[in-house]
Amino acid sequence: AQRVTQPEKLLSVFKGAPVELKCNYSYSGSPELFWYVQYSRQRLQLLLRHISRESIKGFTADLNKGETSFHLKKPFAQEEDSAMYYCALRGAGSYQLTFGKGTKLSVIP
Amino acid sequence: DVKVTQSSRYLVKRTGEKVFLECVQDMDHENMFWYRQDPGLGLRLIYFSYDVKMKEKGDIPEGYSVSREKKERFSLILESASTNQTSMYLCAGQGGTDTQYFGPGTRLTVL
Repeated sequence: AQRVTQPEKLLSVFKGAPVELKCNYSYSGSPELFWYVQYSRQRLQLLLRHISRESIKGFTADLNKGETSFHLKKPFAQEEDSAMYYCALRGAGSYQLTFGKGTKLSVIP
Repeated sequence: DVKVTQSSRYLVKRTGEKVFLECVQDMDHENMFWYRQDPGLGLRLIYFSYDVKMKEKGDIPEGYSVSREKKERFSLILESASTNQTSMYLCAGQGGTDTQYFGPGTRLTVL
């Protein structure tokens, strides 16, 4: 069975401080990993996916197969980064996403 | 720009009522999904559909059914609503193994 774990329900950081949102997964094959974000009163939207290797809004995430992790990082937090963040996994050949329980990021001005 | 719409943003129903939640996508996507989103539990998949008239159970299908008569429309049905089905319901569309695009959500309250 596949599983996604986000150990922090809530993460508070000061503006300008580095941010790291943790995501660990359990999957026997080669997964595809995603980060989704939901800003207040907005719909859930894709932030980034590991296969595209992009940096979106200053965020990056590297898939570490040895540690089965896909942590989301940003060197300098901004107030507009305050949101709910979900890590998700899709197994090989599957349509479905398995989501973690989410981490609420609060950036303190 | 891709578009997934849901019929209602807020819905209040009584216990035992039959409830229909509608989702429409304009992306010609084969795959559509229904999730419920609860604080501390994240998103949990209820049902998904990979083609017209096709459906697959997700992780929490009990108490729900779905209908997909046309490619662009995917309906979630609560046969007899209960208070533990009070939640935010999210619909998503996906083409093949592309990313999922989500609707704005329907906040359902069952009294």
